[in-house]
Amino acid sequence: AQSVTQPDIHITVSEGASLELRCNYSYGATPYLFWYVQSPGQGLQLLLKYFSGDTLVQGIKGFEAEFKRSQSSFNLRKPSVHWSDAAEYFCAVGAKTSYDKVIFGPGTSLSVIP
Amino acid sequence: SQTIHQWPATLVQPVGSPLSLECTVEGTSNPNLYWYRQAAGRGLQLLFYSVGIGQISSEVPQNLSASRPQDRQFILSSKKLLLSDSGFYLCAWSVPPYTIYFGEGSWLTVV
Repeated sequence: AQSVTQPDIHITVSEGASLELRCNYSYGATPYLFWYVQSPGQGLQLLLKYFSGDTLVQGIKGFEAEFKRSQSSFNLRKPSVHWSDAAEYFCAVGAKTSYDKVIFGPGTSLSVIP
Repeated sequence: SQTIHQWPATLVQPVGSPLSLECTVEGTSNPNLYWYRQAAGRGLQLLFYSVGIGQISSEVPQNLSASRPQDRQFILSSKKLLLSDSGFYLCAWSVPPYTIYFGEGSWLTVV
């Protein structure tokens, strides 16, 4: 069975600073990997996904993530954070079974200091 | 393009009352459909998924139920709500290549 950990419960960064959110997964085969963002009181929006191929994935809103099989990681990065990036970020790992079983991590809450 | 609608957006229900949350997907056929719950300050818990009309699978035991009367309609129900049912409920859908897309969610407060 797959699982996801996000070691940082909460991160605070200054506006304009770089950001890296950590994600580690456990899965026996090649996983499908996702990052979602959730603003308060809203649904989850897909930022980016990795299925295969290039291990550096570009997403929306200037985010990117890198799949590192040797480290079982899929960290999310952004070179310069904007105040509007303050939100909850979820890493997820998927496995194709009889349905699209996606397991979500506990989330990392991002605060941005002006 | 595909869209997902979920309603009501918020509701306050007394303990013991029934519940019905509805979700519809537009712009796609035969999607997989999901109900997730997000308790305050916690991650997402998969409650139900459906791969076709009338086909419902439950991930966790609870007093909630789900139904899929039409291809793109998914309903979450309860006959008698408990205080512990309070939370943020998210409907979602997917089609190959296996990316899940979420609705805007429904806030349920049981009082």
